[in-house]
Amino acid sequence: AQTVTQSQPEMSVQEAETVTLSCTYDTSESDYYLFWYKQPPSRQMILVIRQEAYKQQNATENRFSVNFQKAAKSFSLKISDSQLGDAAMYFCAYREPNTGNQFYFGTGTSLTVIP
Amino acid sequence: EAGVTQFPSHSVIEKGQTVTLRCDPISGHDNLYWYRRVMGKEIKFLLHFVKESKQDESGMPNNRFLAERTGGTYSTLKVQPAELEDSGVYFCASSQLNLGADTQYFGPGTRLTVL
Repeated sequence: AQTVTQSQPEMSVQEAETVTLSCTYDTSESDYYLFWYKQPPSRQMILVIRQEAYKQQNATENRFSVNFQKAAKSFSLKISDSQLGDAAMYFCAYREPNTGNQFYFGTGTSLTVIP
Repeated sequence: EAGVTQFPSHSVIEKGQTVTLRCDPISGHDNLYWYRRVMGKEIKFLLHFVKESKQDESGMPNNRFLAERTGGTYSTLKVQPAELEDSGVYFCASSQLNLGADTQYFGPGTRLTVL
């Protein structure tokens, strides 16, 4: 089974600074999708960013960007100019396009933003 | 557009009792997923509905768990009888398509505590 590892249970960042959350995964597939989801306290999970494995270019969404290293099976999330509203639990997830429909999630990283 | 909603937000029951969780997906979304996160661990897939049919229930822990989606709209997940290890946060998600790149929209989750 595919595994997703988030090695940082907790991270903190000063407001306006940059923070990188790490994620590694294990797969033998060449085609797949990677996601970062964010869950603010007591609120629902929302998609932050998505990356298709066949694309070499790293995905970017405003202040959020990823560093996708396919050979190393690494998919880190960089948050620039951190804001108080970025404080949340962040989950990395993996999904294959054809074999099954489920996400495989990591254990999450709790991000604290310090004013 | 209303998002995925789940009810109740919290439930505390005693071992041996029955609990039913409800999920209302985004209107028009044929695909509905149930996930569970046990404290401190990864979010794990339970099952996937396409309309009213179970597409994949490989993640269901055992026969104490019963999921239904009558009419292809909302879904219920019943745990009977509940055990201590069933405690966790149960997430529901829905998606319009069933593709690898398709975004799953998550509800806020139901926190279940079994005493």
